[in-house]
Amino acid sequence: QKEVEQDPGPLSVPEGAIVSLNCTYSNSAFQYFMWYRQYSRKGPELLMYTYSSGNKEDGRFTAQVDKSSKYISLFIRDSQPSDSATYLCALELSGNTPLVFGKGTRLSVIA
Amino acid sequence: GAVVSQHPSWVICKSGTSVKIECRSLDFQATTMFWYRQFPKQSLMLMATSNEGSKATYEQGVEKDKFLINHASLTLSTLTVTSAHPEDSSFYICSASTMTGSSYEQYFGPGTRLTVT
Repeated sequence: QKEVEQDPGPLSVPEGAIVSLNCTYSNSAFQYFMWYRQYSRKGPELLMYTYSSGNKEDGRFTAQVDKSSKYISLFIRDSQPSDSATYLCALELSGNTPLVFGKGTRLSVIA
Repeated sequence: GAVVSQHPSWVICKSGTSVKIECRSLDFQATTMFWYRQFPKQSLMLMATSNEGSKATYEQGVEKDKFLINHASLTLSTLTVTSAHPEDSSFYICSASTMTGSSYEQYFGPGTRLTVT
């Protein structure tokens, strides 16, 4: 079993839809949870950073962490064509340590 | 915000030659930098962890004599791919770790695409 599982998609939605992206993990020692957005041939861009179970909201983005189920989610409201990218979940055991990435989910938002 | 640059963004080299990639944190100091590699349609895989002033820690399966990492200052780490071969063609991405509030956050460079012919 891989440490982090993420459905690679592709996921295609109409503009304005709510998008739900998910990752599951097996190691309960992970303490920090991140979502990155990566456009083609670019480096990942940090979107959300959380370290406790619950929800964290930033604009159209909501990150959700359920440590008991080892499940994290990213919700995108009112999706836009500019949101089309690959979304990577990343987990960290403790601060200042390497990130363990999911495979990434390729999202296309169709105008 | 925290900005990390990489140079070059794209490089083509002949098999057997060496290539140096620079990673710089532009507006913050990073005691730790990480080097990742990403093959097409795959996720990022950690190659090595680099701490300023000390030897890099390499992941299992990554040849330390082939991928030389130098972290001479708090804002610069370099990755040198020695005697490159076509199978080394990949997207190399660095990240720099900085403390934000009470936690560390990692910011990624834009990546360097290496093609070995």
